[in-house]
Amino acid sequence: EAQVTQNPRYLITVTGKKLTVTCSQNMNHEYMSWYRQDPGLGLRQIYYSMNVEVTDKGDVPEGYKVSRKEKRNFPLILESPSPNQTSLYFCASSHTRGGQETQYFGPGTRLLVL
Amino acid sequence: GNSVTQMEGPVTLSEEAFLTINCTYTATGYPSLFWYVQYPGEGLQLLLKATKADDKGSNKGFEATYRKETTSFHLEKGSVQVSDSAVYFCVSSEFRGNQFYFGTGTSLTVIP
Repeated sequence: EAQVTQNPRYLITVTGKKLTVTCSQNMNHEYMSWYRQDPGLGLRQIYYSMNVEVTDKGDVPEGYKVSRKEKRNFPLILESPSPNQTSLYFCASSHTRGGQETQYFGPGTRLLVL
Repeated sequence: GNSVTQMEGPVTLSEEAFLTINCTYTATGYPSLFWYVQYPGEGLQLLLKATKADDKGSNKGFEATYRKETTSFHLEKGSVQVSDSAVYFCVSSEFRGNQFYFGTGTSLTVIP
């Protein structure tokens, strides 16, 4: 089954404790992206990757890191989480980088930073 | 810059009512336009899209027409069902771009 998976689905952590949210897709997609969803703000793009070893900042990259060492995986790293990073996070992928492409979303990771 | 403005919710309709969710965009180039739907507890999934002016996207009884002259992409459905209850997002992207711009989402509840 074609899908985007994220782990964990729920996470509670404390300020400053490094964490990684994994994202994996089995569709051989080139383009992958991370978003955060906050009430009243919709989804905002954090980082995106056009292919292996190619990543770039979205609209809200501060406090986040990403890597793309393999085509299928695109982990999101919070080196020192803060309470303002409490949010619902979505990973997405699409076949190519084109803006007309359909994105496929993971189920989401709900993060609470205390 | 690029942005999307969509109708604020929440919207509550009775089953079989007509639905319109307004969406307008600003863009520096020629965006592609999408409607994504998020059912409770799930990720987003594509509902429909249009990649050039005057295109009409349609799916599951929903329709939206890309209107360049009014920079709009309003979502419509003639007769909503309870199963249409979800949050709807209007999204734009540049044709050769790498970034996507989401509206704030409109929550729809359909009551029997």
